[in-house]
Amino acid sequence: DIQMTQSPSSLSASIGDRVTITCRASQSVSSYLNWYQQTPGKAPVLLIYAASSLHSGVPSRFSGSGSGTDFTLTISSLQPEDFATYFCQHTYTPPWTFGQGTKVEFK
Amino acid sequence: EVQLVESGGGLVQPGGSLRLSCAASGLTFNTFWMHWVRQVPGKGLVWLSRINSDGTTTNYSDSVKGRFTISRDNAKNTLYLQMNSLRAEDTAVYYCHATRNYFDYWGQGTLVTVSS
Repeated sequence: DIQMTQSPSSLSASIGDRVTITCRASQSVSSYLNWYQQTPGKAPVLLIYAASSLHSGVPSRFSGSGSGTDFTLTISSLQPEDFATYFCQHTYTPPWTFGQGTKVEFK
Repeated sequence: EVQLVESGGGLVQPGGSLRLSCAASGLTFNTFWMHWVRQVPGKGLVWLSRINSDGTTTNYSDSVKGRFTISRDNAKNTLYLQMNSLRAEDTAVYYCHATRNYFDYWGQGTLVTVSS
């Protein structure tokens, strides 16, 4: 099975900060990589699909990059509604494992 | 509006069984792959199982293989998860998840508690 490792597990940031979250796969997943945002008590919401494509309705401050084993989610200017937990997930081959999550907290 | 509504969760004893359902509306159900994902409150997301659009191909995580069975009824626009031999560590919120290319929809989740 392909393991997904996110870093950091949590981070503290302020409004307007640039935030970067990394996801590393244990073997190549090509560009089959999604990013989700989840707030407490809610279902995940797709932000980025195919490593770098912005999902419909997602603000342009979110961006994704990478291919193969190393991926990055960047929030260019953190907004109040962005304090949440972010998960990567590969969809290369089953099982489609998630990373353990990165919690973005207010500094 | 797309809606995925899970049901069937609840309290069950260890070793027991439970069947979850996910009723879909507002999407062409028989064109979507469907998944079950679970989450212990406060913890991460765990992918459990997938079924293709016509129900002919299924995949499972090792943690549930042989105990859980995913199925779908495209005539009823409904996804199922039959869960047998339940363990305390299966306690979680269970989400159904629909995917097709860049289309991506989630239900609100149903809580399963395995406890004596």
